[in-house]
Amino acid sequence: EVQLVQSGAEVKKPGESLKISCKGSGYSFTSYWIGWVRQMPGKGLEWMGIIYPGDSDTRYSPSFQGQVTISADKSISTAYLQWSSLKASDTAMYYCARRFGEFDYWGQGTLVTVSS
Amino acid sequence: DIQMTQSPSSLSASVGDRVTITCRASQGIGNYLAWYQQKPGKVPKLLIYAASTLQSGVPSRFSGSGSGTDFTLTISSLQPEDVATYYCQKYNSAPLTFGGGTKVEIK
Repeated sequence: EVQLVQSGAEVKKPGESLKISCKGSGYSFTSYWIGWVRQMPGKGLEWMGIIYPGDSDTRYSPSFQGQVTISADKSISTAYLQWSSLKASDTAMYYCARRFGEFDYWGQGTLVTVSS
Repeated sequence: DIQMTQSPSSLSASVGDRVTITCRASQGIGNYLAWYQQKPGKVPKLLIYAASTLQSGVPSRFSGSGSGTDFTLTISSLQPEDVATYYCQKYNSAPLTFGGGTKVEIK
């Protein structure tokens, strides 16, 4: 069974760093792109970027380029999304999803709250 | 970059009604179009890919059509459990942009 399991909810202060994770199982982790999607409170889905864990090829949405870093550790079948300096506007639910062309499997989401 | 525009942004219909949601791409994307359903407080779920192929387990009252720039998601007979926000997404190449969403409610 394909599963993507994300790390737990986070509460951070502005300016802090953060790295959230997405662990894949039940399939060949290095053979499929993993994407990250942001959903701000009460808003729609925003595509942030994708990574191919096989060779770490990464593509970013222009809206998120330079704002976040996407990485992966294929040895532990885990993808990451990280911020070096969080802002209040980063408060959102973040989903990872496996890309089979479309996003066929999704993680359960990680809620990130940034507040002073 | 290609923009994805959905309409309407929300709709209210009665149980049993036929519901149609439109997604327009600013440039042609072939049939590289997916539809997702997101119920309140839940994870998005893939409904349709390749513009018209129903994902396994999705009720047959859902259907998709279109190619190039104009796409449609149809619910043939709206059910109470279909209350959700529906999103289209292009996936031919990055950026894999989502449409703005269509919120479907029961009248």
